[in-house]
Amino acid sequence: DVKVTQSSRYLVKRTGEKVFLECVQDMDHENMFWYRQDPGLGLRLIYFSYDVKMKEKGDIPEGYSVSREKKERFSLILESASTNQTSMYLCASSLPKGSPLHFGNGTRLTVT
Amino acid sequence: SQKIEQNSEALNIQEGKTATLTCNYTNYSPAYLQWYRQDPGRGPVFLLLIRENEKEKRKERLKVTFDTTLKQSLFHITASQPADSATYLCALYSGAGSYQLTFGKGTKLSVIP
Repeated sequence: DVKVTQSSRYLVKRTGEKVFLECVQDMDHENMFWYRQDPGLGLRLIYFSYDVKMKEKGDIPEGYSVSREKKERFSLILESASTNQTSMYLCASSLPKGSPLHFGNGTRLTVT
Repeated sequence: SQKIEQNSEALNIQEGKTATLTCNYTNYSPAYLQWYRQDPGRGPVFLLLIRENEKEKRKERLKVTFDTTLKQSLFHITASQPADSATYLCALYSGAGSYQLTFGKGTKLSVIP
């Protein structure tokens, strides 16, 4: 079974801090994704990567950046955390285009 | 603009009945559509994928239909059980060459014993 592991289940950060969310997958998947999920807004794509060192913006990339130095690891970076980035963050991976996504269990981030 | 709508935010049904969830989309020409289940505090879990040339797909008590003329997918759970209570999400790729999987907001299903 594919395992997607997110480093923290819960995280509390202060406004202005730089925040790193880490995600690791163990199935050699090419594609990796970061989504955020908010009540009433559903899942929204922040960034995705289809190969090492490659990244593409999703629907809501503002205030975020990503890093993919190794195939199995995809990091989401909040350069300067703000309260409106309080959310559930979900990482996912998949085989090539069109394949189902395998999600981690999420990181619930609170920015105070 | 592209839109995915899951018609009900919440659906309550009696145990043993068939639950039917709806997913409508506009301004997509999807090659396939996916359904996921999400439990509280967990990430979504993939259930079924149906391609545009498939009218229907089944997996155990689950059935998905896909009507590209109506731009609609229906997701059925037969003989529903309380353990089927969860939020169900449909998802589409923006186009044949797209990596971007866009999700509906989900329908929260509650199966009442």
